Amino acid sequence: DAKTTQPPSMDCAEGRAANLPCNHSTISGNEYVYWYRQIHSQGPQYIIHGLKNNETNEMASLIITEDRKSSTLILPHATLRDTAVYYCIVTSNQAGTALIFGKGTTLSVSS
Amino acid sequence: GAVVSQHPSWVICKSGTSVKIECRSLDFQATTMFWYRQFPKQSLMLMATSNEGSKATYEQGVEKDKFLINHASLTLSTLTVTSAHPEDSSFYICSARVMSGTGSYNEQFFGPGTRLTVL
Repeated sequence: DAKTTQPPSMDCAEGRAANLPCNHSTISGNEYVYWYRQIHSQGPQYIIHGLKNNETNEMASLIITEDRKSSTLILPHATLRDTAVYYCIVTSNQAGTALIFGKGTTLSVSS
Repeated sequence: GAVVSQHPSWVICKSGTSVKIECRSLDFQATTMFWYRQFPKQSLMLMATSNEGSKATYEQGVEKDKFLINHASLTLSTLTVTSAHPEDSSFYICSARVMSGTGSYNEQFFGPGTRLTVL
């Protein structure tokens, strides 16, 4: 079973920041938080991951709470192309470990 | 980032026939690849872990005799759906994790998926 809880859907206006929450209260010390997204009928796309520090890359920012029980993915300026299902996944970084997907959050960006 | 390809991107077949789907890592070597399937409006479900040079590890409820996995090289894994039936119609996706320079495995890269329709 997935170890994360996400809202099923969210809406965002184009150009505004999209803040997607994720709860992972049972995360263990060696587990990372990964975010992926899946645009309709495509394979999932990696966005960002972190262990305990906040992370930022060209796509998004990841804010992890100090107790690591929750995190927020931030898309700073959402565009229509960011409409997708966003998955928050908790996993270790061991070689043979597969990603287990929950239901994710469907983000709808509108103009 | 690393690139994973799949072939074919879509396939239509008659009930009872077998279909082979290829998954290739184009610019890296993958000792382990993963196979998922996704039904409409559902999330990805892990089917099996494919290990180069050894037998695949299947998730509970996935028939290993029906979904044959062969990981013949460090860049190729194949999934064969044997005696396909309409209920096997789904979106099949493969993936592989890339080892970083520090020796840890970071992001997992996914193929574009294969849409299988069994008539």
